[in-house]
Amino acid sequence: EDQVTQSPEALRLQEGESSSLNCSYTVSGLRGLFWYRQDPGKGPEFLFTLYSAGEEKEKERLKATLTKKESFLHITAPKPEDSATYLCAVQAGGSYIPTFGRGTSLIVHP
Amino acid sequence: GAVVSQHPSWVICKSGTSVKIECRSLDFQATTMFWYRQFPKQSLMLMATSNEGSKATYEQGVEKDKFLINHASLTLSTLTVTSAHPEDSSFYICSARATSGSTDTQYFGPGTRLTVL
Repeated sequence: EDQVTQSPEALRLQEGESSSLNCSYTVSGLRGLFWYRQDPGKGPEFLFTLYSAGEEKEKERLKATLTKKESFLHITAPKPEDSATYLCAVQAGGSYIPTFGRGTSLIVHP
Repeated sequence: GAVVSQHPSWVICKSGTSVKIECRSLDFQATTMFWYRQFPKQSLMLMATSNEGSKATYEQGVEKDKFLINHASLTLSTLTVTSAHPEDSSFYICSARATSGSTDTQYFGPGTRLTVL
């Protein structure tokens, strides 16, 4: 059974304090790993797709990386507006339906 | 690009009534759309997968007669909550599958907050 585990469940940072969120996965035949950002009361917003180990993608203060077992979402010098829940999802095997992790709730204090 | 809309954004209804939620892909065609339910501080729970022109596939434990899904066109899927009860109150989110070459990505709508009195 495909499994996606995100850690930590919650993370509090001071503005400017860089950190990383983790998404570990156990799947057969990774097709794609997705990162989403979700603000309270809103639908998830697509951030990145990673397809193969070694791949990296960046967007503003966010950088996503991928290995054969996990993905990291690095947040550099975060700002309060980066506060949100970050969701990881994995698409694998013959299914196009992603399996979502439970998310990491990030709070950045000014 | 890849914008998905949902309507309404929130709805309050009386117990026993039915509520319809629309999900539209605005700038792409989506042969597949998904419906999720999300409880406070919890992750997304997939309810059903909707394919254009065919019957929806429901996840285990989701009542197909209560949650009617119609995907009549490549840009529109609807979820009807029939005979709604307070326990159906939740945040409902749709997503649309966008495929292009080797990419295959879900884009989400903004969600619909349903409150059943």
